[in-house]
Amino acid sequence: KNEVEQSPQNLTAQEGEFITINCSYSVGISALHWLQQHPGGGIVSLFMLSSGKKKHGRLIATINIQEKHSSLHITASHPRDSAVYICAVQDSNYQLIWGAGTKLIIKP
Amino acid sequence: DAGVTQSPTHLIKTRGQQVTLRCSPKSGHDTVSWYQQALGQGPQFIFQYYEEEERQRGNFPDRFSGHQFPNYSSELNVNALLLGDSALYLCASSWPGENTEAFFGQGTRLTVV
Repeated sequence: KNEVEQSPQNLTAQEGEFITINCSYSVGISALHWLQQHPGGGIVSLFMLSSGKKKHGRLIATINIQEKHSSLHITASHPRDSAVYICAVQDSNYQLIWGAGTKLIIKP
Repeated sequence: DAGVTQSPTHLIKTRGQQVTLRCSPKSGHDTVSWYQQALGQGPQFIFQYYEEEERQRGNFPDRFSGHQFPNYSSELNVNALLLGDSALYLCASSWPGENTEAFFGQGTRLTVV
């Protein structure tokens, strides 16, 4: 069993839909990261969470430490949101343990 | 602030050759981590450098080595390249400590033929 599991693996939606990507982890963490990777490979850090909820524009990230679960939400999705979204947890050894990613396609 | 910069962006090498990839961390960051991302897979941790020393290492063979310079920039060296080393190599920089945000470079796409 992977230490970080994301769902769904693939998600296709229509422009404007509300998107939710889930992440569950099984290890103790100091922080959880949501990252975005576009074709070509560049990775952008979206959020770093250790508790509660963060919002940036149309993106919202939540974390429940007791349940070891986090969600990334995209409101009013747009084709430019199409990318791979990766959940990664930071353990006490300074390492990032990565989920497999969720490939999101938003159709116009 | 240029953020994290990696060079080169793309590279083609032949099996058995050696390669050096470079990373300049975000201004003020002194911790550099390297990751390998094979096509269609998530990144795998290679190692992390802090204060010019390797602090943590993932499950990679000794063919993978690194270095950090006094200005905190870092190199990843891979010897005796294998076809399976073809991947995107990502560099991330951060402050030391458990609860610091990592910033990523655009990566170096290495193809071994």
